[in-house]
Amino acid sequence: QSVLTQPPSASGTPGQRVTISCSGSSSNIGSHHVNWYQQLPGTAPKLLMYSNNLRPSGVPDRFSGSKSGTSASLAISGLQSEDEADYYCAAWDGSLNNWVFGGGTKLTVL
Amino acid sequence: EVQLVESGGGLVQPGGSLRLSCTAFGFTSSSYWMTWVRQVPGKGLDWVANINQDGTERYYVDSVKGRFTISRDNAKNSVYLQMNNLRVEDTAVYYCASGDASDTWGQGTMVTVSS
Repeated sequence: QSVLTQPPSASGTPGQRVTISCSGSSSNIGSHHVNWYQQLPGTAPKLLMYSNNLRPSGVPDRFSGSKSGTSASLAISGLQSEDEADYYCAAWDGSLNNWVFGGGTKLTVL
Repeated sequence: EVQLVESGGGLVQPGGSLRLSCTAFGFTSSSYWMTWVRQVPGKGLDWVANINQDGTERYYVDSVKGRFTISRDNAKNSVYLQMNNLRVEDTAVYYCASGDASDTWGQGTMVTVSS
């Protein structure tokens, strides 16, 4: 299993707000920044959020990130059908000396 | 256009070797950390290794230590992953990514380890 824990699935209807959680420990999320990646079906992952709550250029402000203690979350407001994808959190782990990913959350737009 | 292009994947028998390449276009990769991430089809992302700008720092996930070597040639704007003693469980799509936050990704190259 993954070092970072995410719910395997999440869902919402168009226009709703959805939150995806990512739980870790003091050696990763507790002491390092969290990044989020979006992977649309059949494509490579794309950076969605970095340094906990910063959006790369081109990412809509419907996406927001936060971190508290050893947990982080990604919020998507005004849900759209094109948001249907897999979402992964990641952080550096100072004990393992490597990056660790969450297991991924499959978001379904109903 | 900023992009990363991976190559070198294929079918190899257990115990065999492969060398993956990743070349950057539209930007100078020597300014960035470079990373390899793999994904078993239908499964999640697994970080494999990364290397700093001048190659003096390299980190690996435990499962590949002693078998995989990450390297780079900044003159060729490229990063490599030498994979030796391959195992069936190394079968995956291998992506390279650039930047501290892996903000640019390649399209991936498939590695299949099977007899």
